[in-house]
Amino acid sequence: SQTIHQWPATLVQPVGSPLSLECTVEGTSNPNLYWYRQAAGRGLQLLFYSVGIGQISSEVPQNLSASRPQDRQFILSSKKLLLSDSGFYLCAWSIFRGGPAKISTDTQYFGPGTRLTVL
Amino acid sequence: RKEVEQDPGPFNVPEGATVAFNCTYSNSASQSFFWYRQDCRKEPKLLMSVYSSGNEDGRFTAQLNRASQYISLLIRDSKLSDSATYLCVIGSSNTGKLIFGQGTTLQVKP
Repeated sequence: SQTIHQWPATLVQPVGSPLSLECTVEGTSNPNLYWYRQAAGRGLQLLFYSVGIGQISSEVPQNLSASRPQDRQFILSSKKLLLSDSGFYLCAWSIFRGGPAKISTDTQYFGPGTRLTVL
Repeated sequence: RKEVEQDPGPFNVPEGATVAFNCTYSNSASQSFFWYRQDCRKEPKLLMSVYSSGNEDGRFTAQLNRASQYISLLIRDSKLSDSATYLCVIGSSNTGKLIFGQGTTLQVKP
């Protein structure tokens, strides 16, 4: 069966510090991978998605970047955190259906999330 | 108009009650439909997919109305453990992405 891991679970960082959040998936190959942010009391906002190693699409202009160095590893980074980067960061995966650039509308499965507080 | 709209609630109901949530979507090209459940400070988890013919899973029934562009979730015989936020999720064929509603909060009281 497939599992998805995220770490750390909780993080408190000062403004201006760097960030690295990691997500790994087990039990599936070549998944589509996603990073979402959920601000307090709000819906999920898609930040990045990836259909393969080294392939990253950004959804919104922001202070963050993403990388996919391995098939089942997805990393979210920032060089300098802002107060507005606080939130609940969720990684998700879905089955890859093929095609060079399309992501799928299949079910997405979420990791346990990282709760980031920037002070 | 938001792409996906839900009544945020909260819906406060007694145990054993039947409760229904609606969710409207604006993109007529939407092709996949889901209800997710999110417990407080946890990740969303798939509750059920929604099919054109409607589908049922135990106490939960989901329906899709393409003409009016909404989906619904009916929960019968509510349990305390049903207390959570229910997210309406719509997939669009022309964007290839899932759009999440802000969620409807359900609180089941003893």
